Amino acid sequence: DSGVTQTPKHLITATGQRVTLRCSPRSGDLSVYWYQQSLDQGLQFLIHYYNGEERAKGNILERFSAQQFPDLHSELNLSSLELGDSALYFCASSVTQVGGELFFGEGSRLTVL
Amino acid sequence: AQSVTQLGSHVSVSEGALVLLRCNYSSSVPPYLFWYVQYPNQGLQLLLKYTTGATLVKGINGFEAEFKKSETSFHLTKPSAHMSDAAEYFCAVTPYNTDKLIFGTGTRLQVFP
Repeated sequence: DSGVTQTPKHLITATGQRVTLRCSPRSGDLSVYWYQQSLDQGLQFLIHYYNGEERAKGNILERFSAQQFPDLHSELNLSSLELGDSALYFCASSVTQVGGELFFGEGSRLTVL
Repeated sequence: AQSVTQLGSHVSVSEGALVLLRCNYSSSVPPYLFWYVQYPNQGLQLLLKYTTGATLVKGINGFEAEFKKSETSFHLTKPSAHMSDAAEYFCAVTPYNTDKLIFGTGTRLQVFP
């Protein structure tokens, strides 16, 4: 158990819909990272927050948005869903802003039908 | 843009044989370098990391990696493979002066008895 909690574990929805994925980092960790893992794209970096502030953006679509709240949990919002958004979405947390070990949750598997 | 390349999407070895997984990065300034392992249906787990200092880094489960600036490489090795080492291995890099953690495409290690 990494200490990082992601909900929901599985989610099935239809194209055009909107979903919210939630991540609770390990106690004391200030950094939260989001990744998308799919067979054809591999593990893609989406976004990084540190203590509530956005620190880096990767290949995150405009239909996707994220935030980190004052209690340090984070949410990833995916809207106008397309079939290609079906993937495993990982959240990871770290105590440092950069260079530290990332602790990964078990992921949220999103299926868009 | 900074990237990391893993040579070989699949590597197969016999139990007891040497494991060598290759990783090269593109940067003129040494980044932070990591190896993570992902077991089936799980999140990623840190094996080892290089930030500064000694170029030979020892990790968990008998793995080690050597940072070679002249070759821009960070290959992962283990002297003797065990069946339990079968998993997917990811090399990752935090480019200099960024807050991103970029993963390679992964190498699936199979270990045969």
